[in-house]
Amino acid sequence: NAGVMQNPRHLVRRRGQEARLRCSPMKGHSHVYWYRQLPEEGLKFMVYLQKENIIDESGMPKERFSAEFPKEGPSILRIQQVVRGDSAAYFCASSPPVRTGGFYEQYFGPGTRLTVT
Amino acid sequence: TQLLEQSPQFLSIQEGENLTVYCNSSSVFSSLQWYRQEPGEGPVLLVTVVTGGEVKKLKRLTFQFGDARKDSSLHITAAQPGDTGLYLCAFYNQGGKLIFGQGTELSVKP
Repeated sequence: NAGVMQNPRHLVRRRGQEARLRCSPMKGHSHVYWYRQLPEEGLKFMVYLQKENIIDESGMPKERFSAEFPKEGPSILRIQQVVRGDSAAYFCASSPPVRTGGFYEQYFGPGTRLTVT
Repeated sequence: TQLLEQSPQFLSIQEGENLTVYCNSSSVFSSLQWYRQEPGEGPVLLVTVVTGGEVKKLKRLTFQFGDARKDSSLHITAAQPGDTGLYLCAFYNQGGKLIFGQGTELSVKP
């Protein structure tokens, strides 16, 4: 069973361009989460999605960031008009639709390292 | 305000030494997770501790959950270079998000 896949692994964008980060969850997983890791802030939750629905986007910046998880295909985290402060590692996690010990256990992908020049 | 305080932030030791890292909070948790993140990779779950006072062993790693379920520790015996990485503690909040501590960056030199 393949793990969570993310691509690209590394992405370089100039200021003002758009960044699209893709996440394919593990087989049978219907929940996807995005996290961002900044050196000075640690790993922080951004958004939680189920197929075609955003469940919780409380960690998403109000502007320029959006996420989707369509019925078919990977989840996409989109950052418009990137700025230097968007440089970070972005991780996707997926979980099955059943709880283990009261929560949906999350499995992480290898991340996308975004560098904005 | 950091809900989970991890210490030390950085630790550099020689191969064969023992070490302990800590994860503290003023909150009570139903469970805590420990992850290891190697450079360039995502976090990998090591263990989940659930019961106050619980001790779990994973080869040379020993995890303990505090009696009051507010803190946890990770002890590594005879550290090896392969143990190098970022050790993160985390918990699931009511909404199902994982909330992480800042992590302990461990470097084990041969």
